[in-house]
Amino acid sequence: NAGVTQTPKFQVLKTGQSMTLQCAQDMNHNSMYWYRQDPGMGLRLIYYSASEGTTDKGEVPNGYNVSRLNKREFSLRLESAAPSQTSVYFCASMDWGITEAFFGQGTRLTVV
Amino acid sequence: AQKITQTQPGMFVQEKEAVTLDCTYDTSDQSYGLFWYKQPSSGEMIFLIYQGSYDEQNATEGRYSLNFQKARKSANLVISASQLGDSAMYFCAMRGGSNYKLTFGKGTLLTVNP
Repeated sequence: NAGVTQTPKFQVLKTGQSMTLQCAQDMNHNSMYWYRQDPGMGLRLIYYSASEGTTDKGEVPNGYNVSRLNKREFSLRLESAAPSQTSVYFCASMDWGITEAFFGQGTRLTVV
Repeated sequence: AQKITQTQPGMFVQEKEAVTLDCTYDTSDQSYGLFWYKQPSSGEMIFLIYQGSYDEQNATEGRYSLNFQKARKSANLVISASQLGDSAMYFCAMRGGSNYKLTFGKGTLLTVNP
């Protein structure tokens, strides 16, 4: 049982480049989340999808877009990467009736 | 809007002693869930404990207990008999019952001294 899988694990981008972070879960969860983690800032919610077919902004959505491709997959896109987007990105999933959110291993992104 | 506040950026505790990590929250939802996660230096997120807003008993999981005071909107984590392996970042989080938004605090870095 893989749980939540994020790809890639590491990425270096040049300013202005675009990329998509992939997240897939195999637990049939309804809700999925994207966070960024920066020193001293905790985990800040970028976007979330409460259920398939819906997406909502979190605290720091600017510069990002998301797609809930199906119930399993929730991708995060950086259209024009900026150095301020250098961070560790986490994807998580959980279901309405369960009491734990499951996390991917994280993606360390550096924008130069 | 929902918000989680962790006011202790860092805490120190002696091995084998108990420690309390503070968490307060704000929400207009009547139904919500509260969580604590541990993040060691390796970076993975480890689930510790959950408390539902309608649970009358405080949640416990081994050495972890959640001191839930609903009227004060606080959900403090108590770690009993601290171990060196407890040294990590600890995050409090809340999921709203109306929108399923999962919000985290800024975290508390716990250091356990031998």
